[in-house]
Amino acid sequence: GEDVEQSLFLSVREGDSSVINCTYTDSSSTYLYWYKQEPGAGLQLLTYIFSNMDMKQDQRLTVLLNKKDKHLSLRIADTQTGDSAIYFCAESIGNAGNMLTFGGGTRLMVKP
Amino acid sequence: DAGVIQSPRHEVTEMGQEVTLRCKPISGHNSLFWYRQTMMRGLELLIYFNNNVPIDDSGMPEDRFSAKMPNASFSTLKIQPSEPRDSAVYFCASTLEGSGGYTFGSGTRLTVV
Repeated sequence: GEDVEQSLFLSVREGDSSVINCTYTDSSSTYLYWYKQEPGAGLQLLTYIFSNMDMKQDQRLTVLLNKKDKHLSLRIADTQTGDSAIYFCAESIGNAGNMLTFGGGTRLMVKP
Repeated sequence: DAGVIQSPRHEVTEMGQEVTLRCKPISGHNSLFWYRQTMMRGLELLIYFNNNVPIDDSGMPEDRFSAKMPNASFSTLKIQPSEPRDSAVYFCASTLEGSGGYTFGSGTRLTVV
């Protein structure tokens, strides 16, 4: 079955890098996603990576995928207070029209 | 593009009442998803539609929940009768199959008292 796990909480200082980790169990995942949720808001798609890629970089965000270990990470460079939010990892199987399975979310707190 | 539009944003109702949540997906998207978010259970997929057809409703909690998608631009999630344990934030999301990106609405915060 599908299971996506994340650590619950991460605290960093402003200007440091943040690394949020995620593990998944289904080796047939095709897309893996990172979403951001700010208080009282919906989920905002940050970035996604296709399962045949190892890395994807988008400005301050770097996604690393270790398919052998089924491990996904999101690195935020130069973390800002505005990055404080809950970050969800998610996987989809098959094409993107299939359902997403979400992790429990990691609450990132950025201290000034 | 207005994004995925959900209504109402907030709903407070009494136990036993019928509740209807509404969603307008992004024009051109052909997959629509209903999720529920609570502190205890996190994000749960309730049901999803492909080309207006329900594909997987195994996440629907019980018979009190029903969802419809009469056309490509509208979906409803109905709870009848509502119970306090249904209190949650309900999200709708849509995507164009194969595009690799899901867009979520802002959610409906439901409180059943």
